[in-house]
Amino acid sequence: ETGVTQTPRHLVMGMTNKKSLKCEQHLGHNAMYWYKQSAKKPLELMFVYSLEERVENNSVPSRFSPECPNSSHLFLHLHTLQPEDSALYLCASSQDWTGGSPLHFGNGTRLTVT
Amino acid sequence: RKEVEQDPGPFNVPEGATVAFNCTYSNSASQSFFWYRQDCRKEPKLLMSVYSSGNEDGRFTAQLNRASQYISLLIRDSKLSDSATYLCVAVRGTDKLIFGTGTRLQVFP
Repeated sequence: ETGVTQTPRHLVMGMTNKKSLKCEQHLGHNAMYWYKQSAKKPLELMFVYSLEERVENNSVPSRFSPECPNSSHLFLHLHTLQPEDSALYLCASSQDWTGGSPLHFGNGTRLTVT
Repeated sequence: RKEVEQDPGPFNVPEGATVAFNCTYSNSASQSFFWYRQDCRKEPKLLMSVYSSGNEDGRFTAQLNRASQYISLLIRDSKLSDSATYLCVAVRGTDKLIFGTGTRLQVFP
Protein backbone atom coordinates (compact mmCIF):
# COMPACT_ATOMS: atom_id res chain seq x y z
CA GLU A 1 0.00 0.00 0.00
CA THR A 2 1.40 3.40 -0.97
CA GLY A 3 2.48 5.42 2.09
CA VAL A 4 1.12 8.75 0.89
CA THR A 5 -1.73 8.82 -1.61
CA GLN A 6 -2.90 11.87 -3.51
CA THR A 7 -5.96 12.35 -5.67
CA PRO A 8 -6.60 13.33 -8.34
CA ARG A 9 -3.39 12.71 -10.31
CA HIS A 10 -4.33 15.31 -12.91
CA LEU A 11 -6.70 18.25 -12.71
CA VAL A 12 -7.70 20.84 -15.27
CA MET A 13 -9.81 23.70 -14.00
CA GLY A 14 -11.01 27.07 -15.11
CA MET A 15 -10.32 30.21 -13.15
CA THR A 16 -13.82 30.33 -11.74
CA ASN A 17 -13.96 26.70 -10.61
CA LYS A 18 -13.70 25.32 -7.09
CA LYS A 19 -11.89 22.04 -6.60
CA SER A 20 -10.11 20.17 -3.82
CA LEU A 21 -6.96 18.09 -3.69
CA LYS A 22 -6.89 15.19 -1.27
CA CYS A 23 -4.00 13.55 0.50
CA GLU A 24 -3.96 10.53 2.80
CA GLN A 25 -1.01 9.03 4.63
CA HIS A 26 -0.84 5.49 6.01
CA LEU A 27 2.48 5.86 7.82
CA GLY A 28 1.31 6.99 11.23
CA HIS A 29 3.14 10.29 10.81
CA ASN A 30 2.33 13.40 12.81
CA ALA A 31 3.16 16.10 10.27
CA MET A 32 1.74 16.75 6.81
CA TYR A 33 2.75 19.28 4.17
CA TRP A 34 1.67 20.86 0.92
CA TYR A 35 4.41 21.78 -1.55
CA LYS A 36 4.21 23.43 -4.96
CA GLN A 37 6.68 22.47 -7.70
CA SER A 38 6.89 24.67 -10.77
CA ALA A 39 9.21 24.13 -13.72
CA LYS A 40 12.81 25.18 -13.07
CA LYS A 41 11.98 26.32 -9.51
CA PRO A 42 12.74 24.66 -6.20
CA LEU A 43 9.99 23.01 -4.22
CA GLU A 44 8.02 25.71 -2.40
CA LEU A 45 6.57 24.91 0.99
CA MET A 46 2.96 26.10 1.23
CA PHE A 47 1.54 24.73 4.48
CA VAL A 48 2.59 22.52 7.38
CA TYR A 49 0.30 20.75 9.80
CA SER A 50 1.57 19.10 12.95
CA LEU A 51 -0.93 16.98 14.83
CA GLU A 52 -3.74 18.61 12.85
CA GLU A 53 -2.66 22.10 13.81
CA ARG A 54 -1.37 24.46 11.15
CA VAL A 55 2.14 25.46 12.12
CA GLU A 56 3.26 27.23 9.00
CA ASN A 57 1.67 29.25 6.24
CA ASN A 58 4.21 30.58 3.82
CA SER A 59 2.44 33.70 2.55
CA VAL A 60 0.24 31.62 0.31
CA PRO A 61 -2.62 33.46 -1.45
CA SER A 62 -6.02 32.95 0.11
CA ARG A 63 -7.28 31.22 -3.04
CA PHE A 64 -5.49 28.18 -1.57
CA SER A 65 -7.16 26.93 1.60
CA PRO A 66 -5.82 23.90 3.49
CA GLU A 67 -7.80 21.64 5.77
CA CYS A 68 -6.52 18.90 8.06
CA PRO A 69 -9.41 17.04 9.69
CA ASN A 70 -7.13 14.43 11.30
CA SER A 71 -3.51 13.39 11.27
CA SER A 72 -4.00 11.08 8.29
CA HIS A 73 -5.84 13.39 5.90
CA LEU A 74 -5.00 16.71 4.33
CA PHE A 75 -6.93 18.72 1.76
CA LEU A 76 -6.12 21.73 -0.36
CA HIS A 77 -9.21 23.65 -1.45
CA LEU A 78 -8.78 25.71 -4.59
CA HIS A 79 -10.90 28.57 -5.85
CA THR A 80 -10.52 31.38 -8.39
CA LEU A 81 -7.04 30.24 -9.33
CA GLN A 82 -4.79 31.98 -11.82
CA PRO A 83 -2.94 30.41 -14.78
CA GLU A 84 0.37 30.90 -12.91
CA ASP A 85 -0.93 28.48 -10.28
CA SER A 86 -0.49 25.65 -12.77
CA ALA A 87 2.10 23.34 -11.23
CA LEU A 88 2.66 20.00 -9.55
CA TYR A 89 1.21 19.99 -6.03
CA LEU A 90 2.88 17.54 -3.72
CA CYS A 91 1.66 16.33 -0.38
CA ALA A 92 4.19 14.95 2.07
CA SER A 93 4.30 13.57 5.57
CA SER A 94 7.00 13.07 8.16
CA GLN A 95 7.23 11.46 11.56
CA ASP A 96 7.25 14.84 13.23
CA TRP A 97 7.69 18.46 12.42
CA THR A 98 11.44 18.72 12.78
CA GLY A 99 14.01 19.08 10.07
CA GLY A 100 15.60 15.78 10.91
CA SER A 101 12.56 13.78 9.82
CA PRO A 102 12.67 12.76 6.16
CA LEU A 103 9.71 13.62 4.02
CA HIS A 104 7.60 10.98 2.30
CA PHE A 105 5.91 12.45 -0.74
CA GLY A 106 2.72 11.49 -2.50
CA ASN A 107 2.80 11.14 -6.27
CA GLY A 108 1.40 14.62 -6.75
CA THR A 109 -1.48 16.32 -8.52
CA ARG A 110 -0.58 17.99 -11.79
CA LEU A 111 -2.81 21.04 -11.94
CA THR A 112 -3.52 23.07 -15.06
CA VAL A 113 -5.50 26.29 -14.75
CA THR A 114 -7.03 27.48 -17.98
CA ARG B 1 21.54 34.53 -3.94
CA LYS B 2 19.53 31.33 -3.48
CA GLU B 3 19.85 29.68 -0.13
CA VAL B 4 20.57 26.31 -1.76
CA GLU B 5 22.20 26.27 -5.17
CA GLN B 6 22.73 23.41 -7.57
CA ASP B 7 24.06 23.14 -11.10
CA PRO B 8 20.93 22.22 -13.07
CA GLY B 9 22.91 20.11 -15.55
CA PRO B 10 22.14 17.98 -17.38
CA PHE B 11 25.09 15.76 -16.64
CA ASN B 12 25.30 13.23 -19.47
CA VAL B 13 27.50 10.27 -18.53
CA PRO B 14 28.02 6.75 -19.94
CA GLU B 15 27.11 3.66 -17.99
CA GLY B 16 29.83 2.72 -15.56
CA ALA B 17 31.10 6.26 -15.12
CA THR B 18 31.60 8.03 -11.83
CA VAL B 19 29.79 11.33 -11.47
CA ALA B 20 29.71 13.91 -8.69
CA PHE B 21 27.35 16.77 -7.93
CA ASN B 22 27.92 19.62 -5.56
CA CYS B 23 25.36 21.73 -3.78
CA THR B 24 26.19 24.96 -1.96
CA TYR B 25 24.20 26.45 0.90
CA SER B 26 24.35 29.99 2.18
CA ASN B 27 23.00 29.66 5.71
CA SER B 28 25.87 28.62 7.93
CA ALA B 29 23.37 27.68 10.64
CA SER B 30 22.03 24.79 8.54
CA GLN B 31 22.57 21.59 10.48
CA SER B 32 21.03 18.77 8.52
CA PHE B 33 21.19 17.91 4.86
CA PHE B 34 19.62 15.39 2.52
CA TRP B 35 19.72 14.22 -1.05
CA TYR B 36 16.42 13.35 -2.70
CA ARG B 37 15.95 11.74 -6.07
CA GLN B 38 13.10 12.67 -8.41
CA ASP B 39 12.32 10.67 -11.52
CA CYS B 40 10.63 12.37 -14.44
CA ARG B 41 7.00 13.20 -13.59
CA LYS B 42 7.26 11.43 -10.25
CA GLU B 43 7.52 12.54 -6.65
CA PRO B 44 10.84 13.13 -4.84
CA LYS B 45 12.12 10.23 -2.76
CA LEU B 46 14.73 10.34 -0.04
CA LEU B 47 18.04 9.02 -1.33
CA MET B 48 20.22 9.57 1.70
CA SER B 49 20.91 11.80 4.65
CA VAL B 50 24.24 13.61 4.77
CA TYR B 51 26.23 13.27 7.97
CA SER B 52 29.18 15.36 9.11
CA SER B 53 31.45 12.36 8.83
CA GLY B 54 30.21 11.52 5.36
CA ASN B 55 28.22 8.42 4.56
CA GLU B 56 28.10 5.73 1.95
CA ASP B 57 25.25 3.59 0.70
CA GLY B 58 26.35 1.15 -1.95
CA ARG B 59 27.43 3.12 -5.01
CA PHE B 60 26.41 6.44 -3.46
CA THR B 61 28.58 8.58 -1.21
CA ALA B 62 27.51 11.85 0.39
CA GLN B 63 29.90 14.31 1.97
CA LEU B 64 29.53 17.56 3.89
CA ASN B 65 32.09 20.36 3.87
CA ARG B 66 31.04 22.89 6.51
CA ALA B 67 34.01 25.17 5.98
CA SER B 68 33.11 25.74 2.34
CA GLN B 69 29.41 25.24 2.89
CA TYR B 70 28.71 22.57 0.34
CA ILE B 71 27.54 19.00 0.20
CA SER B 72 28.35 16.52 -2.50
CA LEU B 73 26.94 13.34 -3.95
CA LEU B 74 29.18 10.84 -5.69
CA ILE B 75 27.72 8.04 -7.79
CA ARG B 76 30.05 5.24 -8.82
CA ASP B 77 29.47 2.74 -11.62
CA SER B 78 26.47 4.67 -12.99
CA LYS B 79 23.46 2.67 -14.14
CA LEU B 80 20.82 3.64 -16.66
CA SER B 81 18.35 3.59 -13.79
CA ASP B 82 20.28 6.35 -12.03
CA SER B 83 18.93 8.83 -14.59
CA ALA B 84 16.89 11.30 -12.57
CA THR B 85 16.99 14.72 -10.97
CA TYR B 86 18.86 14.90 -7.67
CA LEU B 87 17.58 17.44 -5.17
CA CYS B 88 19.77 18.87 -2.45
CA VAL B 89 18.05 19.86 0.80
CA ALA B 90 19.38 21.95 3.68
CA VAL B 91 17.52 22.26 6.96
CA ARG B 92 17.39 25.84 8.22
CA GLY B 93 17.05 25.98 11.97
CA THR B 94 15.21 22.99 13.35
CA ASP B 95 12.40 22.59 10.91
CA LYS B 96 12.64 24.44 7.61
CA LEU B 97 13.64 22.29 4.64
CA ILE B 98 15.09 24.36 1.82
CA PHE B 99 15.23 22.57 -1.52
CA GLY B 100 17.58 23.25 -4.39
CA THR B 101 16.25 23.25 -7.95
CA GLY B 102 17.91 19.92 -8.65
CA THR B 103 20.65 18.52 -10.88
CA ARG B 104 19.58 16.38 -13.78
CA LEU B 105 21.58 13.25 -14.52
CA GLN B 106 21.24 11.30 -17.77
CA VAL B 107 23.12 8.01 -18.01
CA PHE B 108 23.45 6.66 -21.56
CA PRO B 109 24.35 3.15 -22.77
